Amino acid sequence: DQQVKQNSPSLSVQEGRISILNCDYTNSMFDYFLWYKKYPAEGPTFLISISSIKDKNEDGRFTVFLNKSAKHLSLHIVPSQPGDSAVYFCAASEGGSNYKLTFGKGTLLTVNP
Amino acid sequence: GAVVSQHPSRVICKSGTSVKIECRSLDFQATTMFWYRQFPKQSLMLMATSNEGSKATYEQGVEKDKFLINHASLTLSTLTVTSAHPEDSSFYICSASKVYTEAFFGQGTRLTVV
Repeated sequence: DQQVKQNSPSLSVQEGRISILNCDYTNSMFDYFLWYKKYPAEGPTFLISISSIKDKNEDGRFTVFLNKSAKHLSLHIVPSQPGDSAVYFCAASEGGSNYKLTFGKGTLLTVNP
Repeated sequence: GAVVSQHPSRVICKSGTSVKIECRSLDFQATTMFWYRQFPKQSLMLMATSNEGSKATYEQGVEKDKFLINHASLTLSTLTVTSAHPEDSSFYICSASKVYTEAFFGQGTRLTVV
């Protein structure tokens, strides 16, 4: 039973436009959410996170929105750049930032020049 | 950000042999390290949580006698795949956290058992 779901396996956007990556979760005990970016044959790189006490966190071109009632979060990248092309994983934790993570299956983002 | 180094990045071994993978936090002390496994086009699945100086906590369905985890110091955890078989071929990734920060991941190890 997947507790963290990324229902879109892939997404393609034009350079300069907004990329929106979605993530849903089922475990109401999750209290911390993270987004990681991953290139093939490399470990994930942390992008941005959000605590369940917030509904938005912004860092440069990256913004994460959390809707607790819907158990949904999204990552917005604007403007999108070709270098953003990678697999993006949504992850969730029950115990804060340094507890074990449950990952979604990832979404492959392709940003076309 | 903090650096987590994983070695080797790629290993090929014969069926029945054992393989050791190292995970080091280079510039911080990590009381807890995590080991994940990723199959092609799948999510990262947590295998076990490794705490310095104590036994690892394994997730359900992960054989602790097959995947030996040792966390001998605050900067080093090792995963040994014992008596490896082709179905153990996968991408193994470790992560380590400082207190109250997000997890930093190693580069991953591609294990191929032939």
